[in-house]
Amino acid sequence: DQQVKQNSPSLSVQEGRISILNCDYTNSMFDYFLWYKKYPAEGPTFLISISSIKDKNEDGRFTVFLNKSAKHLSLHIVPSQPGDSAVYFCAASALSGTASKLTFGTGTRLQVTL
Amino acid sequence: NAGVMQNPRHLVRRRGQEARLRCSPMKGHSHVYWYRQLPEEGLKFMVYLQKENIIDESGMPKERFSAEFPKEGPSILRIQQVVRGDSAAYFCASSPAQGRMGTEAFFGQGTRLTVV
Repeated sequence: DQQVKQNSPSLSVQEGRISILNCDYTNSMFDYFLWYKKYPAEGPTFLISISSIKDKNEDGRFTVFLNKSAKHLSLHIVPSQPGDSAVYFCAASALSGTASKLTFGTGTRLQVTL
Repeated sequence: NAGVMQNPRHLVRRRGQEARLRCSPMKGHSHVYWYRQLPEEGLKFMVYLQKENIIDESGMPKERFSAEFPKEGPSILRIQQVVRGDSAAYFCASSPAQGRMGTEAFFGQGTRLTVV
């Protein structure tokens, strides 16, 4: 039972363009969402998060959008840079559970080409 | 300011042996989480510990797996009688206090366990 889904295993974007990574969830108890970036042979690095009371959070080139009614969130990277090439994981947590227990998606591999 | 330190980075065990994975949290962090990533999958929560206490072990397999975070020393994830299906990357994360895993939680580089 995959409660957090990233349906695109990979995405290729040209340098300078926008990268849009999508994530869907099924558990309506999730109220906090995070994006992590992961390079090969390294641990995940926190990128950006959003609480369910918001629909948008922005940090530099990274913006996360949340559509609660659709149970969908997306990460926008603009402009994309070659150093953004990595695997991106969407994760979620529920207030009612252990706040630090994250449920991860399977990841989307982003390739930013020159 | 060292980050979360995991060792070893790579561990090879024969079926039936024991695997011990260590995690030293960041300085000042008293909360440790273990996650497992199977090939082609996302990270799956295993256990959440504070010093000398297991807070949430809902993701731990019922048999062969155990975790501890003693008053002194690193957190240990122990897998007894390993099987091929235990082959995975095991990640540890730490945070300074209970709460949301966000900017305040950091992951280690992981231990890649291979069972042959």
